[in-house]
Amino acid sequence: IAGITQAPTSQILAAGRRMTLRCTQDMRHNAMYWYRQDLGLGLRLIHYSNTAGTTGKGEVPDGYSVSRANTDDFPLTLASAVPSQTSVYFCASSDRAGGFNEQFFGPGTRLTVL
Amino acid sequence: AQKVTQAQTEISVVEKEDVTLDCVYETRDTTYYLFWYKQPPSGELVFLIRRNSFDEQNEISGRYSWNFQKSTSSFNFTITASQVVDSAVYFCALDPYNFNKFYFGSGTKLNVKP
Repeated sequence: IAGITQAPTSQILAAGRRMTLRCTQDMRHNAMYWYRQDLGLGLRLIHYSNTAGTTGKGEVPDGYSVSRANTDDFPLTLASAVPSQTSVYFCASSDRAGGFNEQFFGPGTRLTVL
Repeated sequence: AQKVTQAQTEISVVEKEDVTLDCVYETRDTTYYLFWYKQPPSGELVFLIRRNSFDEQNEISGRYSWNFQKSTSSFNFTITASQVVDSAVYFCALDPYNFNKFYFGSGTKLNVKP
């Protein structure tokens, strides 16, 4: 049982470059999420998707975009990376959006933008 | 406004001591959900417990216990007889009903020394 996989595990990126972080889940969960984790700030929601074909903005969406073409995949794209996007990125999923459903997290992607 | 405050940035204890991690939340919703997650040094996020706003019963699971008090908007986590393996960052999270989003606290780093 894989759960949620994220790729790459880590990446060093030059500022201004485009980057897509991949996230795939095999639990057939309806809802998926992207968070960034920064020291002292906990995890902050970037974007979410309640079901395939729909997306929404979270707390810190600027500079990021997402798509949800199918149930399993939820890629996060940085169109033009900036150093402030250096962070650890976590993808998560839950059976359905909201309510009494815990979120399951992937192993994270450590991104450094120079 | 939705907010979770974990005022304790870092706590150090000696093995076998009891330790309580504080979590205070803010929400205007009458229906909401509270969660605790553990992030060990390996980096993954592990779900520990969830509570809905209508269930104020305390819960015990082995050495872990949780105290939910709506009157003080708190959802505190106690580890009894701490062990070195409990060393981790612990996050409290709020999921306001119908918002489909988790609001995480900034986390408490627990160091358990042998």
